[in-house]
Amino acid sequence: GQQVMQIPQYQHVQEGEDFTTYCNSSTTLSNIQWYKQRPGGHPVFLIQLVKSGEVKKQKRLTFQFGEAKKNSSLHITATQTTDVGTYFCAQYMTTDSWGKFQFGAGTQVVVTP
Amino acid sequence: EPEVTQTPSHQVTQMGQEVILRCVPISNHLYFYWYRQILGQKVEFLVSFYNNEISEKSEIFDDQFSVERPDGSNFTLKIRSTKLEDSAMYFCASSARLLDSSKNIQYFGAGTRLSVL
Repeated sequence: GQQVMQIPQYQHVQEGEDFTTYCNSSTTLSNIQWYKQRPGGHPVFLIQLVKSGEVKKQKRLTFQFGEAKKNSSLHITATQTTDVGTYFCAQYMTTDSWGKFQFGAGTQVVVTP
Repeated sequence: EPEVTQTPSHQVTQMGQEVILRCVPISNHLYFYWYRQILGQKVEFLVSFYNNEISEKSEIFDDQFSVERPDGSNFTLKIRSTKLEDSAMYFCASSARLLDSSKNIQYFGAGTRLSVL
């Protein structure tokens, strides 16, 4: 079935540095969502991308959907310790009126002060 | 901000016992979901529920699992005969979802940690 692959699985970042995490699919995605899960917490919705080439920004976070809608990226600038957590991409797959979410394996981000 | 609430926060049970995990979705939401996350692993979809019936389920959601909306507010996940490998964090989520998928935002509860001994 359709799967999303996330790379890297683990990212160690110095505070103040930038980093990017990627979500890739072998097939065209109808949409992609990004979630953040703090250590010991639950997934929290960040953004949804639907259009080819779409770019959305949330403060220091920039989300991009590829032109072919087969990949997406999350770029964080000037990393802060509050950025610690695991970032998941997820695709929403629909059949008729219903749907289900399929999460990637996530990128675990550790920030060193 | 409205939130999804789950109880209990931690459930310990003996292998073979039945457990019921409870969730109160956001009040005006119509679509409900259960997910599982084994420690250190990704979030796995179990089931989605709308209009008092299952709309989608994954291969994980076998005959040992069932879901129910017994009243207007609660949404439950029952595991009939727990196995060691059922130990995980179980998240409930809800969405207001319109048919237009661009409106579909899921809100997750804090989760129930299930420990099967």
